[in-house]
Amino acid sequence: EAQVTQNPRYLITVTGKKLTVTCSQNMNHEYMSWYRQDPGLGLRQIYYSMNVEVTDKGDVPEGYKVSRKEKRNFPLILESPSPNQTSLYFCASSSGTDYEQYFGPGTRLTVT
Amino acid sequence: QKEVEQNSGPLSVPEGAIASLNCTYSDRVSQSFFWYRQYSGKSPELIMSIYSNGDKEDGRFTAQLNKASQYVSLLIRDSQPSDSATYLCAAVNTGNQFYFGTGTSLTVIP
Repeated sequence: EAQVTQNPRYLITVTGKKLTVTCSQNMNHEYMSWYRQDPGLGLRQIYYSMNVEVTDKGDVPEGYKVSRKEKRNFPLILESPSPNQTSLYFCASSSGTDYEQYFGPGTRLTVT
Repeated sequence: QKEVEQNSGPLSVPEGAIASLNCTYSDRVSQSFFWYRQYSGKSPELIMSIYSNGDKEDGRFTAQLNKASQYVSLLIRDSQPSDSATYLCAAVNTGNQFYFGTGTSLTVIP
């Protein structure tokens, strides 16, 4: 089954404790992306990647890191999480030609 | 102006009616446009993409793109209660960066 998976689905952590949210896709997609969704602000792109070793900042990259060492994986790293990073996070992937994105199930992060 | 803007609604239509959802975009995004549906607590799912001026139909859904006026619309014919969701308009620019509207909440009343 074609899918985008994210782990964990729910995470409660404390300020400053480094964390990684994993994202994996099995569709051989070139394009992968991370979003955060907040009430009233909608979906905002954090980082995106056109291919292995190629990453670019989206609209709200501050406080986040990403890496793309393999085509299928695109982890999101919060090196020192803060309460304003409490949000619902989505990973998505698409081919690099049509940009029709498929979303993962989401990760709800709470930083206290 | 934001890159992509939508009326947040809520929009209510009776079952069987046509629901019309609209979205405007700025000069900063002009490449491709998408409509997603998001049920409460779920992830967005792609309904349609549209890349050129005109209409594109898929079942009960029709997307319309007007580049001169910089708007994109989605028509849902014969609306069903199961269509009740938030609809997200999205666009990608030439730098491969995506922008989403804040979404329009649709309720189809049985």
